[in-house]
Amino acid sequence: EDQVTQSPEALRLQEGESSSLNCSYTVSGLRGLFWYRQDPGKGPEFLFTLYSAGEEKEKERLKATLTKKESFLHITAPKPEDSATYLCAATGAAGNKLTFGGGTRVLVKP
Amino acid sequence: NAGVTQTPKFQVLKTGQSMTLQCAQDMNHNSMYWYRQDPGMGLRLIYYSASEGTTDKGEVPNGYNVSRLNKREFSLRLESAAPSQTSVYFCASSEAGTGSRTQYFGPGTRLLVL
Repeated sequence: EDQVTQSPEALRLQEGESSSLNCSYTVSGLRGLFWYRQDPGKGPEFLFTLYSAGEEKEKERLKATLTKKESFLHITAPKPEDSATYLCAATGAAGNKLTFGGGTRVLVKP
Repeated sequence: NAGVTQTPKFQVLKTGQSMTLQCAQDMNHNSMYWYRQDPGMGLRLIYYSASEGTTDKGEVPNGYNVSRLNKREFSLRLESAAPSQTSVYFCASSEAGTGSRTQYFGPGTRLLVL
């Protein structure tokens, strides 16, 4: 059974204090590793897709990386508007089914 | 483009009532999905439709039915609502593919079953 685990569950940061979120996955035949951002009361908003170990993608203050067992979402010099829940998900050889982690709630204080 | 839209945004039902959640996408995607999100459980797949005319069960299909009305629309029906179905429901869509296609989500329907 595919599993995705995110840590920590919650993260409190000062503005400008860089940090990393972890996503560990056990997926047979990884097809894609996805990062989403979710604001309260909203649907998940797509950030990145990673397909193979060693791949990296960046968007503004966010950078996602992928190894054979885990993915990291690095937040560099975060701002209060980066406060959100960040979700990690993966699809494996079974097909189109996304398996989600529990998410990391990030709060950035000014 | 509106992307993925869902109606209603919020609904209160009594136990045993029925309702249909509507979802539509304007991205010409072939695949559509229904998820529920509960505290501590994350997002779980209820049903999906890989293409028009096909539907398949996901992780938690009991108590739900779906209809892929056409390429744009995918509805989720609760025939006899139960308090355990209180949740936030998200619809998503993606291009057809073998699992590497990005899924795009709607804004959600918040359902309370009393």
